Amino acid sequence: GIQVEQSPPDLILQEGANSTLRCNFSDSVNNLQWFHQNPWGQLINLFYIPSGTKQNGRLSATTVATERYSLLYISSSQTTDSGVYFCAVERETSGSRLTFGEGTQLTVNP
Amino acid sequence: ETGVTQTPRHLVMGMTNKKSLKCEQHLGHNAMYWYKQSAKKPLELMFVYSLEERVENNSVPSRFSPECPNSSHLFLHLHTLQPEDSALYLCASSPATRSYEQYFGPGTRLTVT
Repeated sequence: GIQVEQSPPDLILQEGANSTLRCNFSDSVNNLQWFHQNPWGQLINLFYIPSGTKQNGRLSATTVATERYSLLYISSSQTTDSGVYFCAVERETSGSRLTFGEGTQLTVNP
Repeated sequence: ETGVTQTPRHLVMGMTNKKSLKCEQHLGHNAMYWYKQSAKKPLELMFVYSLEERVENNSVPSRFSPECPNSSHLFLHLHTLQPEDSALYLCASSPATRSYEQYFGPGTRLTVT
């Protein structure tokens, strides 16, 4: 199956700092999503971004499909940004299966 | 978000019990999914339904039995579970399978004693 690698696995920031999370994948994809999982387990949709660049407030994401990676940028981080960030991809040939990376655990300190 | 709801939110059951998890989506989607998230592991796909028809079964043990009576409701029937089945069970939906954004419910945290 497709491999999804996220880096870094853990990240600790001071409030106000910027950060970049990376997602590498091993095959062509037709779906890529970024999620934020809060401490209660809820997965919150951040971006649906199989290619290109999108921005939503302090967050933005870029996927370079030809080079098989995606980046999630968090600017001016806040304590409420803490949690686990997951990248999930759907391989072009795999139908409806979303494969998740292992996530980046982000802690933002006040 | 209230687009996808799950009940119960927490469940403790013994290994000989039978219980069911319920998922309901209010988004008008045609595809629904069950995922399992064990502690410190990424989500794993269990089942996929499209228009009430199971289209994928990801080698899940038979002690987990899904049911999709209509495109808005999805159940996961549990029986004779093992302690290693303790996990967060997440339901998701999307407009259709393939290349559509998936939306997740809040999950059911299951503990098997």
